[in-house]
Amino acid sequence: GAGVSQSPSNKVTEKGKDVELRCDPISGHTALYWYRQSLGQGLEFLIYFQGNSAPDKSGLPSDRFSAERTGGSVSTLTIQRTQQEDSAVYLCASSVTGLAEQYFGPGTRLTVT
Amino acid sequence: GQQLNQSPQSMFIQEGEDVSMNCTSSSIFNTWLWYKQDPGEGPVLLIALYKAGELTSNGRLTAQFGITRKDSFLNISASIPSDVGIYFCAGQLSSGGSNYKLTFGKGTLLTVNP
Repeated sequence: GAGVSQSPSNKVTEKGKDVELRCDPISGHTALYWYRQSLGQGLEFLIYFQGNSAPDKSGLPSDRFSAERTGGSVSTLTIQRTQQEDSAVYLCASSVTGLAEQYFGPGTRLTVT
Repeated sequence: GQQLNQSPQSMFIQEGEDVSMNCTSSSIFNTWLWYKQDPGEGPVLLIALYKAGELTSNGRLTAQFGITRKDSFLNISASIPSDVGIYFCAGQLSSGGSNYKLTFGKGTLLTVNP
C-alpha cells in the first residue's frame, strides 16, 4: 500500500514569508507526528495528533509554528514569518494506535533565504 | 527530558566487516526502535524491540533491548555498500494503548568502502 507522502519535496522561501507543508499519512493510521531534522542532527519532535484528541504541541519551537489535521487524515504544518533558522527537513510520520512503530514520509526540505 | 546518547557518531569500514553501534539512555524505555535514513529520504524502520533482553534479527541486522531498559545495540554482519546511511535509535516510554512521541539519538553515519 501507499506510504506516508509529503509535499512539496523542496521549498525555498524568502525570510518573512509564510509556508505550508503537507502530510498525507498511511490510510488507517490514527496517529500523526511532525519532526524537524536540522543538518547532521537527530529528529526533533514538533507536534502529535491522535484521533480527535487535542494535539500535543509541546515541541513547537515558537508561536510562528502551527499545525492542523483535518478529518483525521491530512495534516498541514504552517510556519509564519519564516526565519533562516527554520531551514531544515520537516518529516511527517504516522502510526497505528497502540503501536510504537512510526512510518516516515520522505520529508520536505525547507530553505529560507 | 530524556536523553539518548548514540555511538559511535560515524564509522568507516570495509565491505564484509561487521558493525556494531549502540544507544544509551538516562532513563528507561519500554520500546526501542532502529531506523536507517538514506540521503534525501525519510527514516525507514529496521527493527522494533518491546521486551527487556529481547534479541531480534532482520536479515543481516540484529538488535537487542538491554536488560536495564536503558540501552540498545544494533549489529550489522558482513556489511555491503548499500548499508551506507545514517542509523538512528529511538526510544518510547509509553506502552500499552497509548501512542506517543519517540526520542531519537543523533545517529551513526556508516560508510562502507567497497
